[in-house]
Amino acid sequence: SQKIEQNSEALNIQEGKTATLTCNYTNYSPAYLQWYRQDPGRGPVFLLLIRENEKEKRKERLKVTFDTTLKQSLFHITASQPADSATYLCALSDDKIIFGKGTRLHILP
Amino acid sequence: DAGVIQSPRHEVTEMGQEVTLRCKPISGHDYLFWYRQTMMRGLELLIYFNNNVPIDDSGMPEDRFSAKMPNASFSTLKIQPSEPRDSAVYFCASSFARGSSYYGYTFGSGTRLTVV
Repeated sequence: SQKIEQNSEALNIQEGKTATLTCNYTNYSPAYLQWYRQDPGRGPVFLLLIRENEKEKRKERLKVTFDTTLKQSLFHITASQPADSATYLCALSDDKIIFGKGTRLHILP
Repeated sequence: DAGVIQSPRHEVTEMGQEVTLRCKPISGHDYLFWYRQTMMRGLELLIYFNNNVPIDDSGMPEDRFSAKMPNASFSTLKIQPSEPRDSAVYFCASSFARGSSYYGYTFGSGTRLTVV
């Protein structure tokens, strides 16, 4: 069955450093991969989408890579700030989206 | 646009009662999705609609769950009868697909359902 794996343990990063989150998947060939941010008590918020024929996508301090051979995506936040603290969800999409369980990120001041 | 609007924000009900969750998608979006989120299972897709037509309801856990989309601006998710294991946060999301390109989903703030 399709499976998406994100690090279930929280990630603690010092302010100003680059935070890197990993998303691995199996038994799936997504056309797109997306990243969302979720704050407590709120719905997920769309951040970035990357297509299967794209290797990398950037948006401000965010960078996403997509390796369809490794079946892996990396999500980077550069110059991290305490306001970046949240849970980040990876989602694979074709005609519908399947989500990973997310990784909690804490940016320490 | 006010975004995806869900109601109620919180719902506490007794086991066996009927529960109806409501969603107003973003105007112009032609896809609508219902998700359920728990700590154990994360975000699970329950059902989705395209142009008001149910496309895939394979995620609906049991016959106790039903969803409708009578028009482009309104959808409901009904649980009858409710059980304690239905306790979760239920999200509605909508999206706009242009040809073969897909954009991210816009989620509502969710309905936190507690069945006692």
